[in-house]
Amino acid sequence: EAGVAQSPRYKIIEKRQSVAFWCNPISGHATLYWYQQILGQGPKLLIQFQNNGVVDDSQLPKDRFSAERLKGVDSTLKIQPAKLEDSAVYLCASSPGYQETQYFGPGTRLLVL
Amino acid sequence: QKEVEQNSGPLSVPEGAIASLNCTYSDRGSQSFFWYRQYSGKSPELIMSIYSNGDKEDGRFTAQLNKASQYVSLLIRDSQPSDSATYLCAVELGGTSYGKLTFGQGTILTVHP
Repeated sequence: EAGVAQSPRYKIIEKRQSVAFWCNPISGHATLYWYQQILGQGPKLLIQFQNNGVVDDSQLPKDRFSAERLKGVDSTLKIQPAKLEDSAVYLCASSPGYQETQYFGPGTRLLVL
Repeated sequence: QKEVEQNSGPLSVPEGAIASLNCTYSDRGSQSFFWYRQYSGKSPELIMSIYSNGDKEDGRFTAQLNKASQYVSLLIRDSQPSDSATYLCAVELGGTSYGKLTFGQGTILTVHP
């Protein structure tokens, strides 16, 4: 069974630029999560989807971050404009449904200069 | 007070010893608890989940939960150098019914030969 796929794996941008990350969850998984992990900290949930609907986006900085999950499969996370403090690893995870084991993708490492 | 807090590391133990990792959480209504292992530069992977008070054993790993004290721990017996990683405690805080996890900051474990 293929795991969670993410791209790109690395991204370097300058502040005020925009960037987008892509995630393809495990086939059949209804729930998809985007986490931000700053160096030395645990992952922080940004947004959770159930199929193509948003379940929780309470910690998403909506003035600059946006996310969508079209057709309940792939998802994209966008940052526009980026700030220095957005430098982090962005992890995508999926699970078959609510309250089931979450499987993480390899992450995208973002550096904002 | 942080919602999920882990004992500050790093923790260093000799090969073959027992490593003890601790985690406290703030919400008494929390029901689901998880331990993830994260190797440097990699994504988190689930190693243990626990839902009831008491001990749960899986090979060399034992998770312990005490809801009255709002405390969850992970014991690693016969520690091996390959256990060297960051261990993340994650809690599904009370009142969240959609599987949202809140992570601690992680404890770095080093097992030296």
